[in-house]
Formats: sequence, structure tokens, C-alpha cells
Amino acid sequence: EVQLVESGGGLVKPGGSLRLSCAASGFTFSTSSMVWVRQTPGRGLEWVSSIGGSTNYEYYADSVDGRFTISRDNAKNSLYLQMNSLRVEDTAVYYCGKRDGNIDNWGQGTLVTVSS
Amino acid sequence: DIQMTQSPSTLSASVGDRVTITCRASRSISSWLAWYQQKPGKAPKLLIYKVSSLDDGVPSRFSGSGSGTEFTLTVSSLQPDDFATYYCQQYSSYPRTFGQGTKVEIK
Repeated sequence: EVQLVESGGGLVKPGGSLRLSCAASGFTFSTSSMVWVRQTPGRGLEWVSSIGGSTNYEYYADSVDGRFTISRDNAKNSLYLQMNSLRVEDTAVYYCGKRDGNIDNWGQGTLVTVSS
Repeated sequence: DIQMTQSPSTLSASVGDRVTITCRASRSISSWLAWYQQKPGKAPKLLIYKVSSLDDGVPSRFSGSGSGTEFTLTVSSLQPDDFATYYCQQYSSYPRTFGQGTKVEIK
């Protein structure tokens, strides 16, 4: 059974940093592309970033490009999202997902709140 | 960026009804379209990919159709478990984009 478990969310002040993690199991992580998607009541579902299975590509939404960095450790079956220079508008539930494209498995989400 | 527009935003229906949700792309996405179902407090769940392919375990009452810029999700006979919010998503290009969602409510 595929499992994706996010962690690392929390309350942070504007300008601060957070690192989200996603622990994966139940599939061959090293060959699977992965994504981060966030959701807010006001803006709905928003794709944040994608990474290839062999880190052969990375893509970012314009809204986070230059501030967020996606990475992975295939030895640890883990996906990461380093979030710097956080803004109030980055407040959202962040989901990791398996497969760039049609996301066929999602984690339960982790809440990031950016507020002073 | 490709904009995805869903209609309606809210749909009121009864158990047993046939319901159809439309998703329009601002330019052609060929067949690179997925549909997700989301229930309150839960993560989205993939229902359909590549316009019409059902993900594993998805009931056959769900179907998808379309190509290019106009797509539909149909539920042939709405069941109690189907009351939820549905999203379309294009994966033809980056940035990946989602529709704003269609909430299916009990009439």
C-alpha cells in the first residue's frame, strides 16, 4: 500500500523558513516523480513544484520560484520542500503527491501558517 | 499558463441522479486531463486520468470524456458517497493547473 506522510508544518513569521518532509513507502520511490501541491480556502488547489525520479528535472510555480526548493533523498525514500522568505500568502495545507502529472497518491497534508 | 474553468461551481442533486461537470481549458491540453474527488478534511483522490481512464478501484459509474479544451466528468447514478468536491487538472504543461472545483451537494 502506498503511503505518503508529510511533516514539518507549523507557525512561522513572515520572512521565516520551514522545511517540509514527505516519507514515502509502498512503491519504488527512486523511479517515481513527485510533486508538492498546496490548498487554501480562497485559492483552491495550487501546484507548487515537481521533481523527476532521478532529480533530472525540477519545476516551480512562479509564486514560489526562487524561494522554495524541492529535493529528494532516494536512499531515505523522502521528499522535501525547503521554504524560505515565507509570505502570508504561503499559508496553506501542503500535500506531497506521487507522480508528476496525474497525481495518483496524496499524503494527508501538513498545515503551514505564516503570520506575525 | 493554462486556465482551467469548471462549471457549475455548485451542483445540487439527489441520490440516483445523473450528474455532469464541465471543465474548459484556455488552450488545448490534448488528453492530459485528470479528475479528483475531495471530501472535507481529506486529501484529493484521483478518479480519472488521461480524460477517461479510471484509476484503480474507482466505480464504473464515473466516466470522463472530451479532448482539446472541453471535458466532462459524469456520474451515471449518484451515490451517497459521491457528495464531495471535484477538481479537474491539466498536466499538458507547466505550471500544472487545477479548476476551481465543483461541490456536489445533496438536494
